[in-house]
Amino acid sequence: DTAVSQTPKYLVTQMGNDKSIKCEQNLGHDTMYWYKQDSKKFLKIMFSYNNKELIINETVPNRFSPKSPDKAHLNLHINSLELGDSAVYFCASSQARGITFGSGTRLTVV
Amino acid sequence: TQLLEQSPQFLSIQEGENLTVYCNSSSVFSSLQWYRQEPGEGPVLLVTVVTGGEVKKLKRLTFQFGDARKDSSLHITAAQPGDTGLYLCAGARDSGANNLFFGTGTRLTVIP
Repeated sequence: DTAVSQTPKYLVTQMGNDKSIKCEQNLGHDTMYWYKQDSKKFLKIMFSYNNKELIINETVPNRFSPKSPDKAHLNLHINSLELGDSAVYFCASSQARGITFGSGTRLTVV
Repeated sequence: TQLLEQSPQFLSIQEGENLTVYCNSSSVFSSLQWYRQEPGEGPVLLVTVVTGGEVKKLKRLTFQFGDARKDSSLHITAAQPGDTGLYLCAGARDSGANNLFFGTGTRLTVIP
């Protein structure tokens, strides 16, 4: 029944490692996103995909690479993790104005 | 650059009180949305306002979009503990949701 599901919910890893976060939506939405929420709860868009095509790529280090194998999936791969990457990452999808968010992945880099 | 400033940043009130949260910007938005986020979860859409001056009511919550479409307010009547959460406004520059700019957030605590 989960509309936007992302895994894992918690991720603790060492600096320099490579990690992936998976996201799937079963809403039939055309557009999917990755957002980052920092420790002050500020939410900022990272990427936006429409029908598997990248349409927004904010100022994000190229260590972050989204991959959309199909319209229902948008995974996020992060290379060479840094301490400053620690945050909560939200996957989301939309068809019109409103966005449906996943429950987030709390990434902690130690 | 913080395009949308919310005030207050923190608000702690007693159950039954009324409150207003403000979302201000110098930019014009085609629409503005309000979300509520609870700990460990993603934000959940409460409402979208599109027309300048528009007022929408959702039970005890009243949302208003400024005439110039640069600001918005959320008023809660007779707050309840279940209203506790992080309230986020978000402005859209186009007709979709492809590039939402989120506000700085207001953390509301309603004490029973």
